[in-house]
Amino acid sequence: AQSVTQLDSHVSVSEGTPVLLRCNYSSSYSPSLFWYVQHPNKGLQLLLKYTSAATLVKGINGFEAEFKKSETSFHLTKPSAHMSDAAEYFCVVRLRSGATNKLIFGTGTLLAVQP
Amino acid sequence: KAGVTQTPRYLIKTRGQQVTLSCSPISGHRSVSWYQQTPGQGLQFLFEYFSETQRNKGNFPGRFSGRQFSNSRSEMNVSTLELGDSALYLCASSPPAAGGYNEQFFGPGTRLTVL
Repeated sequence: AQSVTQLDSHVSVSEGTPVLLRCNYSSSYSPSLFWYVQHPNKGLQLLLKYTSAATLVKGINGFEAEFKKSETSFHLTKPSAHMSDAAEYFCVVRLRSGATNKLIFGTGTLLAVQP
Repeated sequence: KAGVTQTPRYLIKTRGQQVTLSCSPISGHRSVSWYQQTPGQGLQFLFEYFSETQRNKGNFPGRFSGRQFSNSRSEMNVSTLELGDSALYLCASSPPAAGGYNEQFFGPGTRLTVL
């Protein structure tokens, strides 16, 4: 079965410091992995996706993630946090069983950015 | 291009009633998926439609149903509402891609409150 585990439910950083949001995946196949962000009372926005091309994936707003098969990880990073990055972040895997676009979401990591 | 739109944005119903939510995908997208988001269960997949056919279904009771029209617009219906159905319902659409699978673009959601 495919799944993702977000290792931290809450992360707090100071503005201007690096961000690290951790995600481990479980998949028998080469996975399609995504990071989505959700700002308060808003829908989900795609930050970046991994689909078996480059292992280092660059996304929007300065975020990037590295796919590490040996560690089954897909951690999200940003060199310098901005106040506007405060939101909830979801690591997501797409189910690869039959013809479907079904996404399986992690439990989310709430990122707080302190001034 | 206009994004995914969902109507209504907010809805208040009482137990036992039924409700219909609407989703208009991005122009050209043929796959529409629905998700339920609650504080306790997180984001859970409801169902996916592709070219008017249900392609996959999550683990929800039969009170939850959906359909897709020839213009790719989709509706979901919940009958005999229960308090636990209070949630944010998110719709997502996907563009055509090789293999038929691609990242999903989410709408702002419909906030359903059941009293």
